[in-house]
Amino acid sequence: EAQVTQNPRYLITVTGKKLTVTCSQNMNHEYMSWYRQDPGLGLRQIYYSMNVEVTDKGDVPEGYKVSRKEKRNFPLILESPSPNQTSLYFCATGWGRTEAFFGQGTRLTVV
Amino acid sequence: GENVEQHPSTLSVQEGDSAVIKCTYSDSASNYFPWYKQELGKRPQLIIDIRSNVGEKKDQRIAVTLNKTAKHFSLHITETQPEDSAVYFCAASPAGTYKYIFGTGTRLKVLA
Repeated sequence: EAQVTQNPRYLITVTGKKLTVTCSQNMNHEYMSWYRQDPGLGLRQIYYSMNVEVTDKGDVPEGYKVSRKEKRNFPLILESPSPNQTSLYFCATGWGRTEAFFGQGTRLTVV
Repeated sequence: GENVEQHPSTLSVQEGDSAVIKCTYSDSASNYFPWYKQELGKRPQLIIDIRSNVGEKKDQRIAVTLNKTAKHFSLHITETQPEDSAVYFCAASPAGTYKYIFGTGTRLKVLA
C-alpha cells in the first residue's frame, strides 16, 4: 500500500526547543515536499527536494531546515521554533503525478 | 514571484447543480496546474491536473480548463453530490522550478 508517513501527528513544544518532524514514503518517488497550512492562507510550500541531496526553498523557508540523505526520508527541522510556526504541516511526494500523495499531517503548537 | 488568486472563497450549490472555481496566476511561464480536494480533517488529495500545452481535461464529473492568454484556470464540477463538499485548492508551478504556489482555497458546500 502506497504510504507517506509523518511523525509525530501532534506536538506541543516550547519556544526555542529544537524539533524534527519525520516524513517517510514507500513509493520510490524522487520528489518530496513540505507545506504548512494556516487558516485563510491555504497551503504554503516550505522546502522541496528533487532527489537525494537536492533540496530547494519553497515560498516560506525561513525558520526551517530540511535534509535528504535517503530517497525515502525527508525530515523537517525547526532549530529554534517560535509561536508563529504553530501550524498544520504536511509532507507530500510525487510532483506532477496523478498519484501524488500527502501525509496525514502534523499539528504543531509552539508555546 | 508567482501569485495565485482563487475565487470564490466559499460556494454553496444545490445537489445536482454545477460548481465552478476560478484561479488566476501571475507568472505567464507557469506550466503545471493541479487541483486538490481536502475534506474536513483529512489530507489534501490531488483530483485533477492540467499542463500548459492542453486547454481542457476531463475526468468523469470533474473538468479543468486553462486559458493561458488570460492566465486563469478553472475547476468545473457537474452534477454535484454531498460528498463533493470540501475545500478545494488550486496551484501553479512556474516553469523551470518544482515549486507549487497555492490559492487560498474554496469551501464548497453541496446542499441536499
